[in-house]
Amino acid sequence: GQNIDQPTEMTATEGAIVQINCTYQTSGFNGLFWYQQHAGEAPTFLSYNVLDGLEEKGRFSSFLSRSKGYSYLLLKELQMKDSASYLCAVIMEYGNKLVFGAGTILRVKS
Amino acid sequence: GAVVSQHPSWVICKSGTSVKIECRSLDFQATTMFWYRQFPKQSLMLMATSNEGSKATYEQGVEKDKFLINHASLTLSTLTVTSAHPEDSSFYICSARLGLAGYNEQFFGPGTRLTVL
Repeated sequence: GQNIDQPTEMTATEGAIVQINCTYQTSGFNGLFWYQQHAGEAPTFLSYNVLDGLEEKGRFSSFLSRSKGYSYLLLKELQMKDSASYLCAVIMEYGNKLVFGAGTILRVKS
Repeated sequence: GAVVSQHPSWVICKSGTSVKIECRSLDFQATTMFWYRQFPKQSLMLMATSNEGSKATYEQGVEKDKFLINHASLTLSTLTVTSAHPEDSSFYICSARLGLAGYNEQFFGPGTRLTVL
């Protein structure tokens, strides 16, 4: 089967930096997505990595190592509104379905 | 970015009735749409992949006769929960994929919260 692991919960302080890790073991790989989801809402797209390395987009960065089956999402200058669930998802074949990890609930405290 | 809408945003129904949920891509044509279900404090679980003009592909364990999917046009897919029961109460989310070569991203609808009494 497909396996995508993320920590269940994390807590960080406003203004700090937090790294959310994701490891995956899947039968195929065509890219990895990170989504943010607030309670009761649909996921919103944060980043997409298909090649090894770091992709930076404002306060959010995402890293991928295909050889290690590993990714992380880095959030800088944390704000209270960043409190949400962060979902790691792998797309195994081009244009095909996403397989989601269980999500990491991030709590930002003042 | 591309916009996906769902209707209704929430619905309450009696056990045994059927409920239809619509998913529309508003400003693009979606060759493929996906239907997910999310129970409280859990992640999204793919139910089925819907391709325009063809039968949906269901994930293992999802009853195709209970969750009817129709993708009649490039901008509309519908999910009908037939003979709904309380255990079908969940958050149903659709996503749509642009039909462009080399484009993997899916755009999510706002979700439909179904409560079966």
